[in-house]
Amino acid sequence: NAGVTQTPKFQVLKTGQSMTLQCAQDMNHEYMSWYRQDPGMGLRLIHYSVGAGITDQGEVPNGYNVSRSTTEDFPLRLLSAAPSQTSVYFCASSRPGTGGNYGYTFGSGTRLTVV
Amino acid sequence: GENVEQHPSTLSVQEGDSAVIKCTYSDSASNYFPWYKQELGKGPQLIIDIRSNVGEKKDQRIAVTLNKTAKHFSLHITETQPEDSAVYFCAAVSGGGADGLTFGKGTHLIIQP
Repeated sequence: NAGVTQTPKFQVLKTGQSMTLQCAQDMNHEYMSWYRQDPGMGLRLIHYSVGAGITDQGEVPNGYNVSRSTTEDFPLRLLSAAPSQTSVYFCASSRPGTGGNYGYTFGSGTRLTVV
Repeated sequence: GENVEQHPSTLSVQEGDSAVIKCTYSDSASNYFPWYKQELGKGPQLIIDIRSNVGEKKDQRIAVTLNKTAKHFSLHITETQPEDSAVYFCAAVSGGGADGLTFGKGTHLIIQP
């Protein structure tokens, strides 16, 4: 099993450009989520999904869109990139549970620079 | 929503000594507390976790303790080794795990030879 796969690993965008960060999991996990990691800030939740067709906002959703058409894929879209979106982005998948363990598994990340 | 505080932000210990990292959380509904290790250029890797109905869990040199009344949990690493050098994150989950993890801001652990 590959686990959680993120592409691309690195990306440089110009301000105003759009792009999609891809995330795919092969563990048949119901839940998927996106985080951004900035120096000194830890990881912050952007958007999450509890199943195909269902998404919701996390702590820092502005400037990002998501959709979940299949269980396996959860792409993150930047419609008009801004320098403030320069960050490392991580995708994770997990499964329902009662009192844990939810099996959170993270991808290896996408390092995005907006110039 | 949940808020997780983590201390210290940097911890330097001599090889062979113990290291302790502490976290507090705000939401009494949180019921799962994982710890992640992140090495440079990689994603977070789960190293140990604890559920809200357990007070302590140990896995070789790593242990986690949870005090639900005080809403804090701690990571203990004994007999530290150079390969323990990394950034460690605590996190909390509530609501059946559907709405993602809330992370602390991380601790940079440095093992001095």
